[in-house]
Amino acid sequence: EDKVVQSPLSLVVHEGDTVTLNCSYEVTNFRSLLWYKQEKKAPTFLFMLTSSGIEKKSGRLSSILDKKELSSILNITATQTGDSAIYLCAPYTGANSKLTFGKGITLSVRP
Amino acid sequence: DVKVTQSSRYLVKRTGEKVFLECVQDMDHENMFWYRQDPGLGLRLIYFSYDVKMKEKGDIPEGYSVSREKKERFSLILESASTNQTSMYLCASSYDTNQPQHFGDGTRLSIL
Repeated sequence: EDKVVQSPLSLVVHEGDTVTLNCSYEVTNFRSLLWYKQEKKAPTFLFMLTSSGIEKKSGRLSSILDKKELSSILNITATQTGDSAIYLCAPYTGANSKLTFGKGITLSVRP
Repeated sequence: DVKVTQSSRYLVKRTGEKVFLECVQDMDHENMFWYRQDPGLGLRLIYFSYDVKMKEKGDIPEGYSVSREKKERFSLILESASTNQTSMYLCASSYDTNQPQHFGDGTRLSIL
């Protein structure tokens, strides 16, 4: 059975801090890994990672995949209150390429 | 921008009712998906479809069915609603397999 574990489950930081969110996976027929941010409504797409060791960056957010360690990290530098959200990772797996989601990491950024 | 629209943000129904949740996407995407999201359990895939009139079971299909008569529309049906189907339901679509899925805002369904 496919398994995706995110850690920590939740964390509270202050504005300006840097955070690292972890995602590890044990899945069959891995194809790629996606990160999403979910505030009050729809998850919004952040990154799609296919190749190991290549960092993807968007503003203060960056992410990298390690296929050898079966893991990925999402970094957020100089956090802002608007970064408060649930962060979801999900590998694409299997013959039908379905997404298997982790339970998510709840990030709270205090002013 | 991709737009995935779910027909209702909030819905309250009674046990035993037949419930329809509608989802429409405007980007001519091939693939559409239905998930439910519960605290502590994350997002779980109910059904998905890779083409019109085609459907495949996800991880938790029991108690649900789906319909895809047109490419842009994917409906989730609760044949006889039960209280354990109270949840947030999210629809998503993608251009192709292994492409990012884009989500609707969700329907918070309560079964009384």
